Amino acid sequence: AQSVAQPEDQVNVAEGNPLTVKCTYSVSGNPYLFWYVQYPNRGLQFLLKYITGDNLVKGSYGFEAEFNKSQTSFHLKKPSALVSDSALYFCAVSALNTDKLIFGTGTRLQVFP
Amino acid sequence: DTAVSQTPKYLVTQMGNDKSIKCEQNLGHDTMYWYKQDSKKFLKIMFSYNNKELIINETVPNRFSPKSPDKAHLNLHINSLELGDSAVYFCASSRGLGSGANVLTFGAGSRLTVL
Repeated sequence: AQSVAQPEDQVNVAEGNPLTVKCTYSVSGNPYLFWYVQYPNRGLQFLLKYITGDNLVKGSYGFEAEFNKSQTSFHLKKPSALVSDSALYFCAVSALNTDKLIFGTGTRLQVFP
Repeated sequence: DTAVSQTPKYLVTQMGNDKSIKCEQNLGHDTMYWYKQDSKKFLKIMFSYNNKELIINETVPNRFSPKSPDKAHLNLHINSLELGDSAVYFCASSRGLGSGANVLTFGAGSRLTVL
């Protein structure tokens, strides 16, 4: 069965520092991987996805993620964090041949001024 | 223009009541979904419809009944509400079907509180 794991409930980082939010996956076949962000009292917003091709995927708001097949990881990164990046981040994987997204448990990112 | 809109945003009701949440998308998407987010922020799919046809039906109690009158609308009716139904319900939509690569656009959520 397809699944993703986000090992950190919360990540704290100072503004201006690089940030990483971790995600590992377990899939049958080739994975379709996504990152979504949820701001307080809002719906989820798409950040980026990996389908195939270049392992480094660039997305919205300066975020990027690196697909690592050997480590089965898809970590979200940003070179310089902003206070406004503080939110709940979800990694997700598509179930085989469907658009059913299976979400991780979410990681709360806190960026301190 | 709101792409995926849900009403109501907040819903407070008593156990045993029946309630509905409505969802509409103006993106021209073919597929719509209902997701449930519990108090721990865990998100799980409940249903998916493609062009008014039920595609995904997860292990959801029969008290939950989705209805899609057309491909732009997907409503969720809940009978005999229980305390455990308290959650935020998100509607979402996507273009196409079954590629696994489609991006979902989510609504802002409907917070249901059952007393």
